[in-house]
Amino acid sequence: DAKTTQPPSMDCAEGRAANLPCNHSTISGNEYVYWYRQIHSQGPQYIIHGLKNNETNEMASLIITEDRKSSTLILPHATLRDTAVYYCIQGDDKIIFGKGTRLHILP
Amino acid sequence: GAVVSQHPSWVICKSGTSVKIECRSLDFQATTMFWYRQFPKQSLMLMATSNEGSKATYEQGVEKDKFLINHASLTLSTLTVTSAHPEDSSFYICSASGWQGRGEKLFFGSGTQLSVL
Repeated sequence: DAKTTQPPSMDCAEGRAANLPCNHSTISGNEYVYWYRQIHSQGPQYIIHGLKNNETNEMASLIITEDRKSSTLILPHATLRDTAVYYCIQGDDKIIFGKGTRLHILP
Repeated sequence: GAVVSQHPSWVICKSGTSVKIECRSLDFQATTMFWYRQFPKQSLMLMATSNEGSKATYEQGVEKDKFLINHASLTLSTLTVTSAHPEDSSFYICSASGWQGRGEKLFFGSGTQLSVL
């Protein structure tokens, strides 16, 4: 079973930052936090992952709380193409998907 | 970045026939591959873990005789849906475990939409 919890849906205005929260209160010391997204009828796309430090790449930033029990994915300037289901996953060798957050970008 | 190729992207078959789906890692060796299925408006469900040269490990509730997995090489895993029935109609997605410089660990194929008539 998935170990993370996310809000089922969120709206964000185009051009604004999208902040997607995730709770992973049972995460163990060697489990990473991964974020993927899935656009309709496609395979999931990797976004970012981290262990305990905050991470940033060309797509997004990942903020992990000090106790590692929650994290936030930040899309700095959301566009309509960012409309997707975003999955937050804790895991090491196996990736188990929860229900994710359906992000709607509003024009 | 690493690429996982999945073929075919869609298939329509008659009830009772078998369908084979291929998953290839194109520019890296994948000792482990995963197979997922996804029903409309639902999340991905892990079906099995495929390790090169050994038997696949199936998740609870997934019939191993129904969904045959072969991982004969470090770049190829196949999923065969045997004697397919309409309830097997689903979106099947493979992924391969690899490592790239930027730390991406799991790469996904583009999925196969199976429709059983």
